[in-house]
Amino acid sequence: QIQLVQSGAVVRKPGASVKVSCKTSGYSFTAYGVNWVRQVPGQGLEWLGRVNPYNGYTVYAQKFQDRLTVTSDTSTSTASMELRSLGPDDTAVYYCAKVDYGDYTNWLDSWGQGTLVIVSS
Amino acid sequence: SYALTQPPSVSVAPGQMAKITCGGDNIGSKSVHWYQQKPGQAPVLVVYDDSDRPSGISDRFSGSNSGNTATLIITRVEVGDEADYYCQVWEINSDHPVFGGGTQLTVL
Repeated sequence: QIQLVQSGAVVRKPGASVKVSCKTSGYSFTAYGVNWVRQVPGQGLEWLGRVNPYNGYTVYAQKFQDRLTVTSDTSTSTASMELRSLGPDDTAVYYCAKVDYGDYTNWLDSWGQGTLVIVSS
Repeated sequence: SYALTQPPSVSVAPGQMAKITCGGDNIGSKSVHWYQQKPGQAPVLVVYDDSDRPSGISDRFSGSNSGNTATLIITRVEVGDEADYYCQVWEINSDHPVFGGGTQLTVL
């Protein structure tokens, strides 16, 4: 079965960076994109960016364009997300999610368990 | 960018039907997907392409989409259906998902 297993919770100080990994299994890693979505406590889902592991192509939400990097490692079927210059409002649960493709649309059919990132001095 | 509007909350009695709406400009021309998120858990896809169900999702979940409103329909609601529900479309121009604000379903 398809699994996405994320790295564990972390605490960072303001101004620092965080890297979250997402190890996938149960499907062809290079055939489907991996998206990153976050959820601030008590709020909704916010898309951050995505990577196509087949060619490394990335797309970022404009809000995070300058401080987010999403990568993929085909040798380990792992996607990663690094967010820099953290502020307290980056405290959130970060999810990776596998995309599936339709006609002129895509959806997120499998999700990681989430990684809590706390930004606090 | 494209905006999706959901009611913050919907309440329903056990055994009844719940309808959760997702509004957007001419959303009927797009495909809408729905996720269920229980407290402390990751979202789970329950409906895709307006009305299709992933394997393992109960047939009590269905969807419709027309005009400016898409609807998630849950029949014979159970206490275990209590969760937040999010609609999503794919923004073709900027090539990324757009989520609604979420609806909290309460089973009274």
